[in-house]
This record gives sequence, C-alpha cells and structure tokens, in this order.
Amino acid sequence: GQSLEQPSEVTAVEGAIVQINCTYQTSGFYGLSWYQQHDGGAPTFLSYNALDGLEETGRFSSFLSRSDSYGYLLLQELQMKDSASYFCAVKEGTGGFKTIFGAGTRLFVKA
Amino acid sequence: DVKVTQSSRYLVKRTGEKVFLECVQDMDHENMFWYRQDPGLGLRLIYFSYDVKMKEKGDIPEGYSVSREKKERFSLILESASTNQTSMYLCAIPGSSYNEQFFGPGTRLTVL
Repeated sequence: GQSLEQPSEVTAVEGAIVQINCTYQTSGFYGLSWYQQHDGGAPTFLSYNALDGLEETGRFSSFLSRSDSYGYLLLQELQMKDSASYFCAVKEGTGGFKTIFGAGTRLFVKA
Repeated sequence: DVKVTQSSRYLVKRTGEKVFLECVQDMDHENMFWYRQDPGLGLRLIYFSYDVKMKEKGDIPEGYSVSREKKERFSLILESASTNQTSMYLCAIPGSSYNEQFFGPGTRLTVL
C-alpha cells in the first residue's frame, strides 16, 4: 500500500535547528516535496527533491535518499513564525499526476 | 502570481442537502485537484481532472462527484451531505513543473 510516516509533533526553541523526518512507501515514485501550513491557512510549497541529496533554500533544507525511501526537512535558525504544520508529499502514479500527503508534523517553536 | 479561489471559506449545511463547492483558477492549467483535510490524516485526494470533462477518482471518491465544464472551473459535489463529510476542502493546481501544487484558501464545511 501507499503510506508516508512522519512524527505527529515536534517542539524546539527559537534559534535552534530542527529536523522533520519522512519515510514513504509508494509506487511509481517521482519525488518528495514539503509543504508548510499555518493555522487557518492553505498549504504552501517549500521544496522538492527528485534526486538523492540535499537541497537548500535559505533557512530550509530538504534531503532525499531514494534507496532508503527516506527524506527530511531541516529548519535552521528557528523563528516563532515557523510554528506551523509541515507535510511531506510524494509525487507518484502514472505520469506523476498524483500526490500523496503525509499526516503532517506540528512544529511548536518556543521562545 | 498563481491564483486559485474557492467559492466559500465557511459553509454550514444540513444532512441530506446537495452541496456544491466551486474552485476557479487563472493559470489555464489542464489539471485540477480536490482534497479533503482532516486532523491526523493529512490531505486526501478525492478527485482530479486532467482536462475539460475529464476526471479520475482519487483515494476517497465515495459520496462525491465532480464537474469540469470549463477549463478554469472545477466543482466538487456532495450529492447528499452527511456528517462524516464535515471537513476542510482544498482545491489545487500543479505548478508549471508539476513538482508543486498551489492551493486555494480552502472551504471549511460543517454538515449538521
């Protein structure tokens, strides 16, 4: 079956680094993406990895290991505004049209 | 800027009512998606459309139907609303590279 596993919640302090892990089991894997969602808002796209390795975008980085069916989102220099839910998602299926989302990780950033 | 709009932010309906949720995009994209989001379950795909009048079932299509008569508009229909369809409904379109999706603001539907 298809599944994505990520922790339900993570707590960290302002200025720290936090890593949110995601393991997946899907068919026809094309790539792993990450989305951020603040309370009351819509998910917004953060990053996409199709190949193994680390992709960096400012304070956020995303990593993929296709052989391990594993990826993570790394948030550095945490700010209070980073408190949100983070979803990993896998693009899969015929033609890569379908995206399967994880259940989300709620990140709490404390002062 | 990509613009995906949904007809209502909040909607309250009664059990058995027929409910229409509308989504409009301004990117002239062939593909459009409907998801529902529930706590602890993430986003689950209900239906998607890859062209006008073309549709495919997602992972949880039961109790829903869709309509795509014009390219910019994708409607989700609850033929007879039930309380277990109380949820947040999100419409989305892919980005130009198909690696990301852009979401509308969502419709929080409550069925009493």
